[in-house]
Amino acid sequence: AQSVTQLDSHVSVSEGTPVLLRCNYSSSYSPSLFWYVQHPNKGLQLLLKYTSAATLVKGINGFEAEFKKSETSFHLTKPSAHMSDAAEYFCVVTFTGTASKLTFGTGTRLQVTL
Amino acid sequence: NAGVMQNPRHLVRRRGQEARLRCSPMKGHSHVYWYRQLPEEGLKFMVYLQKENIIDESGMPKERFSAEFPKEGPSILRIQQVVRGDSAAYFCASSPAGANEQYFGPGTRLTVT
Repeated sequence: AQSVTQLDSHVSVSEGTPVLLRCNYSSSYSPSLFWYVQHPNKGLQLLLKYTSAATLVKGINGFEAEFKKSETSFHLTKPSAHMSDAAEYFCVVTFTGTASKLTFGTGTRLQVTL
Repeated sequence: NAGVMQNPRHLVRRRGQEARLRCSPMKGHSHVYWYRQLPEEGLKFMVYLQKENIIDESGMPKERFSAEFPKEGPSILRIQQVVRGDSAAYFCASSPAGANEQYFGPGTRLTVT
């Protein structure tokens, strides 16, 4: 069994300040972890993925995430928020090495203010 | 390379009617997945298909819902006798063989009146 917990349903930051979106996972097997972003009334875009290679993963639009096995965490960060980052972010887990269903967290809505 | 295509983007059905949602995977992708997103919730897995085969349907409701991915043509998610609780966004994703990252379509927003 596997699951993810996104610790904050809503995060608000000022433009130009750092972003931290928290995610903890639970998995019986070696997991693959992803972050997806969903803009209002749009589909989902893959931001980045961890698949048992480097623990610090760099994604698109300046986002990165660090896999910490000891803490079972995969938090998403960005040094400086931009207004266009306002969206819903989903932390996702699946099995490594095989095609399988994705298990989604409940999402974190990021608000960016001036 | 065109992305995952879904149509229609919006679908309105009255209670008791049938809804058919279509998904064309990315070129070269042989795996298709369907997910449902209820308002203010994350996505929930429904079914995973390969060409002419259902691999995992553990997330499909037991009645009224079915899915197929024929040898030719798009994958179809079919909902018979729709009810108001079926109103949701339905997303299709695809992946190539041997990969576990999935690429999502824009979704079909189903409204049942």
